[in-house]
Amino acid sequence: AQSVTQPDIHITVSEGASLELRCNYSYGATPYLFWYVQSPGQGLQLLLKYFSGDTLVQGIKGFEAEFKRSQSSFNLRKPSVHWSDAAEYFCAARGGGGADGLTFGKGTHLIIQP
Amino acid sequence: GAGVSQTPSNKVTEKGKYVELRCDPISGHTALYWYRQSLGQGPEFLIYFQGTGAADDSGLPNDRFFAVRPEGSVSTLKIQRTERGDSAVYLCASSLFGGANTGELFFGEGSRLTVL
Repeated sequence: AQSVTQPDIHITVSEGASLELRCNYSYGATPYLFWYVQSPGQGLQLLLKYFSGDTLVQGIKGFEAEFKRSQSSFNLRKPSVHWSDAAEYFCAARGGGGADGLTFGKGTHLIIQP
Repeated sequence: GAGVSQTPSNKVTEKGKYVELRCDPISGHTALYWYRQSLGQGPEFLIYFQGTGAADDSGLPNDRFFAVRPEGSVSTLKIQRTERGDSAVYLCASSLFGGANTGELFFGEGSRLTVL
């Protein structure tokens, strides 16, 4: 079955430190991959997406993600976090083609320490 | 409006009652999706509309759940004989295109359903 795994339920990072959130997928073929952020009282916002081509993808708010086929991973990174980055982060995948919806991971809750 | 609008933002109902949740997508978006997000979980796909038709309803948990989009714009998710396990945030998303050309999905803030 298709699945997306985010191994870390909570991550605590000091403000100004670097961040990496892990995401692994299990699909028959390379799916389309996405990272979303969800802040309290707000809808899910797309940070970045990978369809094909360059495996390092740049997104909004200074985030980037790297697709690694050999590891079935799509980890999200940011060189220096800000207090406003505290939120829930979701990795999602979608099979290439067709009308099927996104499969989301369970999310990683990011806490920023001052 | 500029974004995806969902009403009500909060709904409290009693077990066994009927509930309707409404989604108003971004104008011109042909694809519309419903997801359900339970506490501590990621969103789970329920149903996808391309225009007026349900192109993929494989995520609906059982026949108590039904959704319509009669004019290809506003959609209503209908839940009959609600159960406590239906308590969740119901998210709606829309995109300009669907299927293989799916671009970014724009999500609403969700409707929080609590079944007592």
